[in-house]
Amino acid sequence: RKEVEQDPGPFNVPEGATVAFNCTYSNSASQSFFWYRQDCRKEPKLLMSVYSSGNEDGRFTAQLNRASQYISLLIRDSKLSDSATYLCVVKRSGGSYIPTFGRGTSLIVHP
Amino acid sequence: DAMVIQNPRYQVTQFGKPVTLSCSQTLNHNVMYWYQQKSSQAPKLLFHYYDKDFNNEADTPDNFQSRRPNTSFCFLDIRSPGLGDAAMYLCATSRADDTGLRDFGPGTRLTVT
Repeated sequence: RKEVEQDPGPFNVPEGATVAFNCTYSNSASQSFFWYRQDCRKEPKLLMSVYSSGNEDGRFTAQLNRASQYISLLIRDSKLSDSATYLCVVKRSGGSYIPTFGRGTSLIVHP
Repeated sequence: DAMVIQNPRYQVTQFGKPVTLSCSQTLNHNVMYWYQQKSSQAPKLLFHYYDKDFNNEADTPDNFQSRRPNTSFCFLDIRSPGLGDAAMYLCATSRADDTGLRDFGPGTRLTVT
């Protein structure tokens, strides 16, 4: 089983839709969680960290479910500019500085 | 602006011809990473430096080497590139006490002919 797994998609949604992605992780000792956004042929950029209590940043909401070992990203009122690949990143505990990336979920928002 | 810079942005090399990719940072971060990313795949960590301490991932081929002459610079050397080494190579940095990566360079897209 891969350490971090994501449905690659693509998720094809109309403007204004609400869309949610999940990401599962296998290491129960994982400590830190992030969502990154990667546009085509560009570098990943941090979208938001994921906190235990869940957190929101504008139209984006991130949740962590430690019992089931997954994190989620919810995007409300999708915009065309949200079209990108969303990478889930999980960092192990124990003093390691090495985050593990999922392969990403592709989102296409159409008019 | 403080940033992570990678040069060149696009590199074409011939099969078997050594190539060096460079990364520099003005963030004064302790940790520097090299990732390889192929199309529709997750970035794959090749190695990282914590200050001068080099850490190689177990499955990184010997063909890939790295140097970090000072805090600001890190190089990726591919000794004998094969067609399978064509990819985007991403450099990233973080502070030692950071909880995760923060800054990626724009990447170098390597083509092997």
